[in-house]
Amino acid sequence: SQELEQSPQSLIVQEGKNLTINCTSSKTLYGLYWYKQKYGEGLIFLMMLQKGGEEKSHEKITAKLDEKKQQSSLHITASQPSHAGIYLCGADQGQGAQKLVFGQGTRLTINP
Amino acid sequence: KAGVTQTPRYLIKTRGQQVTLSCSPISGHRSVSWYQQTPGQGLQFLFEYFSETQRNKGNFPGRFSGRQFSNSRSEMNVSTLELGDSALYLCASQLRGWNEQFFGPGTRLTVL
Repeated sequence: SQELEQSPQSLIVQEGKNLTINCTSSKTLYGLYWYKQKYGEGLIFLMMLQKGGEEKSHEKITAKLDEKKQQSSLHITASQPSHAGIYLCGADQGQGAQKLVFGQGTRLTINP
Repeated sequence: KAGVTQTPRYLIKTRGQQVTLSCSPISGHRSVSWYQQTPGQGLQFLFEYFSETQRNKGNFPGRFSGRQFSNSRSEMNVSTLELGDSALYLCASQLRGWNEQFFGPGTRLTVL
């Protein structure tokens, strides 16, 4: 079965700094989804990537899916306290997004 | 458009009891997926329903079951509760297979 490994598991950055979270898959990624979760709450959809080399941005967050389609990165520019939370990558296994495999998550803390 | 709603938000049960959780998808979404999130195992896929039929199933024992109604609302049931069933149960709805999933706020189940 497909496994996703996120790195780092935890990240503490100074407000205003840039940061990157990585998601590496054990198999080819057909679709990669990034979500953000506040502790104990539901997941907020950020971005979906489906094509190798694809890059999407929303506000200060950029996600990329590498050409070989086994890794994705999430980059936050000029971090703000509102970016704090747990970031999760999820991958469909070639059957659509209704059955996702998730990484363990990256806990992001922003220090003022 | 209203988001995915889940009821109840919090639930406390004792071992051996059974529990039913409810999920109302976004209007027009016919696919509903259920996930279990625990600190140890992370976010794991339980099952997915589409047009009242279970289309996908994760690796959970038969104590975990679900159903979907004609209005796309879904319920999941856990019988003979165990301490390890304590978790955040999330449901997600989706328009079509290759679209993103939108998650509800979750139901926090505590088994004593």
